[in-house]
Amino acid sequence: EVQLVESGGGLVQPGGSLRLSCAASGFTFNKYWMSWVRQAPGKGLEWVANIKQDGSEKYYVDSVKGRFTISRDNAKNSLYLQMNSLRGEDAAVYYCARDFTAGTTDYWGQGTLVTVSS
Amino acid sequence: QSALTQPASVSGSPGQSITISCTGTSSDVGGYKYVSWYQQHPGEAPKLMIYEVSNRPSGVPDRFSGSKSGNTASLTISGLQAEDEAHYYCSSYTPNTALDRVFGGGTKLTVL
Repeated sequence: EVQLVESGGGLVQPGGSLRLSCAASGFTFNKYWMSWVRQAPGKGLEWVANIKQDGSEKYYVDSVKGRFTISRDNAKNSLYLQMNSLRGEDAAVYYCARDFTAGTTDYWGQGTLVTVSS
Repeated sequence: QSALTQPASVSGSPGQSITISCTGTSSDVGGYKYVSWYQQHPGEAPKLMIYEVSNRPSGVPDRFSGSKSGNTASLTISGLQAEDEAHYYCSSYTPNTALDRVFGGGTKLTVL
């Protein structure tokens, strides 16, 4: 059974940092692109970033470029999102997502909530 | 403002059929076969219902179907059931932009 379990969310002040983690199991992690997708409270879905199987390619939505870094450790079956210089508009539930074809996620984690407030 | 346009809400009675539209451009929906639909119940993660315009993942009932014409994709749910009440989001791969994919704003389906 495919499982994606996020952790690392919480309350952070504007300008602060957080590192999200996603533990993957039930599939061959190093064979899939992985993404982070977020959802602000009461809002729709927004793709944030993705990373190729071997970590050699990474892409980001413009609003997080230079502030967020996606990475993975295939030996640990883990995906990460380092978030720096956090802003109020970054507050959301962040989902770890497995991409099985172009631009398409077939499995999602349960999400981790990031709150940005002073 | 979302890149793909969906109606904010639709409704139908049990047993009826409804269709949710998703309008984009030739740079996303109209240009590629990688259109997908997700169902999200309150407090839960999204669930993939349709991929590559009209394909259903294993376990998704055949009451759910997808199609596309030009820059508009559609999700049709036939034989509505109470458990279908949820938010539905469309998404399209969009490689020729700065994004990997774009989502619609979501449609709230109410089963009357």
